[in-house]
Amino acid sequence: EDKVVQSPLSLVVHEGDTVTLNCSYEVTNFRSLLWYKQEKKAPTFLFMLTSSGIEKKSGRLSSILDKKELFSILNITATQTGDSAVYLCAVDNAGNMLTFGGGTRLMVKP
Amino acid sequence: DAGVTQSPTHLIKTRGQQVTLRCSPKSGHDTVSWYQQALGQGPQFIFQYYEEEERQRGNFPDRFSGHQFPNYSSELNVNALLLGDSALYLCASSLQGAGYTFGSGTRLTVV
Repeated sequence: EDKVVQSPLSLVVHEGDTVTLNCSYEVTNFRSLLWYKQEKKAPTFLFMLTSSGIEKKSGRLSSILDKKELFSILNITATQTGDSAVYLCAVDNAGNMLTFGGGTRLMVKP
Repeated sequence: DAGVTQSPTHLIKTRGQQVTLRCSPKSGHDTVSWYQQALGQGPQFIFQYYEEEERQRGNFPDRFSGHQFPNYSSELNVNALLLGDSALYLCASSLQGAGYTFGSGTRLTVV
């Protein structure tokens, strides 16, 4: 059975801190790993990773995938209160479904 | 460019009742997937519809059923509601299973 595990479960930091969120997976027919940010309801897309070792960046957020060790990390530098959300990691098993982890709840205090 | 639209946004039902949730996919998308997200957990895959057929199904009982219409919109039906069915139900559309866009969900409360 496909499995995605995220850590930590929750995190409280202060504005300006850097955070690293972890995602490990065991899936068959791996196609890609995706990161989403969920503030209220709709998860919003952050990154899609398909190749090992290639960092994806968007502003203060970056992510990398290790297909040998089966994990990914999401980094957020210079955190802001607007980064407070649940961050979800999901793996696409050849396009027919996403398997999600339980999420990491990040709270950024002013 | 309309995103994924779900209705209703909130719903309260009594145990044993039946419910229908609706989803209109993003323009240009042909595939609709449904997910259940219990409080404090990640979304869990229910099923995916493509070309009006259920293409894949997650570990959910037969009380959960769906339909896709020729215009690619979709419905999720849940029969004989249980308290444990209370959750946020998310619809995600994609083009042939790639590039998922999520709707804002329907919050179902079963009392």
